[in-house]
Amino acid sequence: EVQLLESGGGLVEPGGSLRLSCAASGFTFSSYAMNWVRQTPGEGLKWVSGISDRGDVTYYADSVKGRFTISRDNSKSTLYLQMNSLRTEDTGLYYCAKEETEVVTTNNFIDYWGQGTLVTVSS
Amino acid sequence: QSVLTQSPSASGIPGQRVTISCSGSSSNIGSNFVFWYQQLPGTAPKLLIYRNYQRPSGVPDRFSGSKSGTSASLAISGLRSEDEADYYCAAWDDNLSGRVFGGGTKLTVL
Repeated sequence: EVQLLESGGGLVEPGGSLRLSCAASGFTFSSYAMNWVRQTPGEGLKWVSGISDRGDVTYYADSVKGRFTISRDNSKSTLYLQMNSLRTEDTGLYYCAKEETEVVTTNNFIDYWGQGTLVTVSS
Repeated sequence: QSVLTQSPSASGIPGQRVTISCSGSSSNIGSNFVFWYQQLPGTAPKLLIYRNYQRPSGVPDRFSGSKSGTSASLAISGLRSEDEADYYCAAWDDNLSGRVFGGGTKLTVL
């Protein structure tokens, strides 16, 4: 059974940093691309970032480029999201999500989601 | 403001057929596959339909997807109380080089 367990969320002031982690199990982590998706009551679901199976290709939404960095440690089956220069609009529930193939491209899709970790950016 | 447009709400009575629509543009739905996710209250989204109309194993055939031009639809037939959830469409956007979602449709079973 695919399991994705996020951690690292919390309350942080604007301009601060946070590092999210996602521990994966139940599948061969190193064979699949991974994503981070944010959910807020007002905006719904918003794709934030993706990374290929080997970690050599990364993708970012324009709103987080230059501030967020996605990475992975295949030896630990763990996905990360380093979030710097946080803004109030970054607030939301962050889901770790598995891609159905090794890359994030036009006609692939997310097939499994974790339960999310809450990030609140507020002074 | 979501890139894909969905009606905020829909409703139906048990046994009825309900359709949820998703509108996009030539850079997303018009040129790429559409996917649908179901989010039951208090849970994570779950894949419901992939590549316009295909169902993952375990998804009842009461759920069906279709696409025409820059719009897509999710149909639920034989509506049940357990279908009450939020439904999201998704697609890749060539202009944004990223995945985009609809704002979600909250389905109420009366």
